[in-house]
Amino acid sequence: QLVLTQSPSASASLGASVKLTCTLSSGHSSYAIAWHQQQPEKGPRYLMKLNSDGSHSKGDGIPDRFSGSSSGAERYLTISSLQSEDEADYYCQTWGTGMGVFGGGTKLTVL
Amino acid sequence: EVQLVESGGGLVQPGGSLRLSCAASGFTFSSYDMHWVRQATGKGLEWVSAIGTAGDPYYPGSVKGRFTISRENAKNSLYLQMNSLRAGDTAVYYCARGGAAAGTVDYWGQGTLVTVSS
Repeated sequence: QLVLTQSPSASASLGASVKLTCTLSSGHSSYAIAWHQQQPEKGPRYLMKLNSDGSHSKGDGIPDRFSGSSSGAERYLTISSLQSEDEADYYCQTWGTGMGVFGGGTKLTVL
Repeated sequence: EVQLVESGGGLVQPGGSLRLSCAASGFTFSSYDMHWVRQATGKGLEWVSAIGTAGDPYYPGSVKGRFTISRENAKNSLYLQMNSLRAGDTAVYYCARGGAAAGTVDYWGQGTLVTVSS
């Protein structure tokens, strides 16, 4: 069964960098995913598509501060030069056999 | 500019029905898979349904047999017919465009609230 696992929370200081992780369940390490951001009281926003080789393509208007990388079954979202508006929930998403799957989300706090 | 605008949400009693609509613009609607995703208050995102460009539908077990996704390419519109609604279906429902990675989404609407309550 395809499952995406994310840590419930993360925190980092203003101006610092943070790396969020999304882990694909066993047998699914070749899958591409998408990362989405949801700021408080807003709808989700697509950030990027991330392939198993670490190549990624970002959505319209997504700043260079956002980047993606991969290692095995892990998919990473790195945010550098953290700003207050980066405080949000971050979700990974992929597609299994005939159905979509979301990770549980990571709540990022900018200190 | 890609725009997705949902409508049709509201208050409905348990066991009732509701039809959501999504008006798409700014892209060639017929060329993209489309999705519905929902979010209960304080909870994470939950995939609800998808439809391929050929009209092939997909559902998770939680809504299969109760929800029906459809599209009308001539009207650039996506629909979700929801029957036998339960309290657990209460959520904001988002329309989303299929992305480059199979089954992912790359644009979201603003959402429409569905409340199932007596």
